[in-house]
Amino acid sequence: RKEVEQDPGPFNVPEGATVAFNCTYSNSASQSFFWYRQDCRKEPKLLMSVYSSGNEDGRFTAQLNRASQYISLLIRDSKLSDSATYLCVVNIPDGQNFVFGPGTRLSVLP
Amino acid sequence: DVKVTQSSRYLVKRTGEKVFLECVQDMDHENMFWYRQDPGLGLRLIYFSYDVKMKEKGDIPEGYSVSREKKERFSLILESASTNQTSMYLCASSFSWTAPNYGYTFGSGTRLTVV
Repeated sequence: RKEVEQDPGPFNVPEGATVAFNCTYSNSASQSFFWYRQDCRKEPKLLMSVYSSGNEDGRFTAQLNRASQYISLLIRDSKLSDSATYLCVVNIPDGQNFVFGPGTRLSVLP
Repeated sequence: DVKVTQSSRYLVKRTGEKVFLECVQDMDHENMFWYRQDPGLGLRLIYFSYDVKMKEKGDIPEGYSVSREKKERFSLILESASTNQTSMYLCASSFSWTAPNYGYTFGSGTRLTVV
């Protein structure tokens, strides 16, 4: 089983739609989780951290389910500019580095 | 803002050449990383460093080496470039992962083509 798995998509949604991505991780001892966004031919950029109690940043909501070992990202009222690949990132316990998921591609259509 | 600068945006090298990719960060980050990104394979860690002169192998270190003589600079070396090393190379830096403001900052990437 891969350390971090994501549905690669693509998710094609109309403007204004709500879309959710899930990410599963294999190491139950992982403690730090992030969502990154990567635009086509650009570097990944931190979108938001994921906290145990769940957290929200404008139209974006991140949640963590430790029991089932998954994190989620919900985007409400999708904009054309949300079109990108969303990468799930999970730490390797006792290590200094993180594992990136393969990414989920989102296309928001007019 | 943290800035991570990679020396070249595009590079074309010949098979067998020794290739140096340079990365510099300006925020006193302890950790620095080199990844390659290929379609369908995602980001794969080549090497990382959590201190000056320290280095750790990532998932795919074969054919690569690194150098970190100064805290702000982390170099990736392809000892003898091969066509299967054609890829996008991304450098990243971060504070120690226990820091409250942990998060990677990436450079804009170097697209390397080996012919």
